[in-house]
Amino acid sequence: EVQLLESGGGLVQPGGSLRLSCAASGFTFSSYAMSWVRQAPGKGLEWVSAISGSGGSTYYADSVKGRFTISRDNSKNTLYLQMNSLRAEDTAVYYCAKDLSKNSRRLTAFDIWGQGTMVTVSS
Amino acid sequence: DIQMTQSPSSVSASVGDRVTITCRASQGISSWLAWYQQKPGKAPKLLIYAASSLQSGVPSRFSGSGSGTDFTLTISSLQPEDFATYYCQQANSFPPHFTFGPGTKVDIK
Repeated sequence: EVQLLESGGGLVQPGGSLRLSCAASGFTFSSYAMSWVRQAPGKGLEWVSAISGSGGSTYYADSVKGRFTISRDNSKNTLYLQMNSLRAEDTAVYYCAKDLSKNSRRLTAFDIWGQGTMVTVSS
Repeated sequence: DIQMTQSPSSVSASVGDRVTITCRASQGISSWLAWYQQKPGKAPKLLIYAASSLQSGVPSRFSGSGSGTDFTLTISSLQPEDFATYYCQQANSFPPHFTFGPGTKVDIK
């Protein structure tokens, strides 16, 4: 069964750091680009960051550029999101999501999602 | 940046109704559009990709159409399990810079 399982969320003070992980199973992890998408409480979906299958290319939303770093370890089938300089507006459920297209340079849609992990930034 | 709008923001409908949701992009995105369904407390589920391609396992009552800037998601006969929020998402930008629409909530009339 194709599955994504996030972990690492929690309560952190403004200016603090947190690292999220996403363990993948049931598919050839290295063949697919992966993304992080977040959803603030009661709000819509916001794409945060994406990474190519090899890990050689990374992309960020303007709202997190310079503060967040996406990475992956294909030997461990795990995706990461290092979040630094956290702000109250980063409070959200963070989902990892698999891209639909295999071995594609072009990211298209998210066909598999994890259950999400909650990040709360508050003093 | 490409902005996405959806209309209506909410719709009340009955089981068996035909429901149409519209998504508009601020500039042309060819057919690089996807639709998702999200139920409360759950992750989104991919319904449609490439504007009109039905994702595997999704019931055929869901269909998508459009290209350029205007797109629609149609539910031909609303079922009880279809009450949810629906989001469109564009994937035209390269390097990737995905944007989602604000969502359309479908609730029971």
